[in-house]
Amino acid sequence: DVKVTQSSRYLVKRTGEKVFLECVQDMDHENMFWYRQDPGLGLRLIYFSYDVKMKEKGDIPEGYSVSREKKERFSLILESASTNQTSMYLCASSLETSGYREQYFGPGTRLTVT
Amino acid sequence: DAKTTQPTSMDCAEGRAANLPCNHSTISGNEYVYWYRQIHSQGPQYIIHGLKNNETNEMASLIITEDRKSSTLILPHATLRDTAVYYCIVRVYAGGTSYGKLTFGQGTILTVHP
Repeated sequence: DVKVTQSSRYLVKRTGEKVFLECVQDMDHENMFWYRQDPGLGLRLIYFSYDVKMKEKGDIPEGYSVSREKKERFSLILESASTNQTSMYLCASSLETSGYREQYFGPGTRLTVT
Repeated sequence: DAKTTQPTSMDCAEGRAANLPCNHSTISGNEYVYWYRQIHSQGPQYIIHGLKNNETNEMASLIITEDRKSSTLILPHATLRDTAVYYCIVRVYAGGTSYGKLTFGQGTILTVHP
């Protein structure tokens, strides 16, 4: 089975801190995604990566950056956390760039910024 | 991507079939129908997808009408563990910067009762 793991289930950070969210997948997937999920807004794509060192902005990239140095690992970085970044963050991966392949999600990280 | 309409909530008795409808009247010929679900406090889970033919896998069946304007996800023998939010998504591979982005709407809250 495909496994997508995220570094933390719950995280509490202070405003202005730099925050790293890590995601690892074990199925050699090319594509990896970072979403945030908020009540009433559904899932919104922050960034995605289709290859090592490659990245593309999603719908809401402001305030975030990403890093993909190895195929299995995709990191989301909040350069200076703000309270409006309090959210559930979900990482996903998929097998190929065709777009038809299903995405496999991690368990999520619930981030609270105080 | 085509917009989808789902009922806000549905109930089902344990052991009975759960039939979850989805309307996608503006679907284009090259758009697929995907179903995901999200159990409370977990990441979304892929269930099934189809283009025009009915599909079945170990989790569910997908029935797509001949005009493709609506579909039904069928869980043949619902269990308490099937209680979740079910999302119907219609999307096309657009290539370029799309790379499989998923847009989740509000979904249907399915509650399976003993």
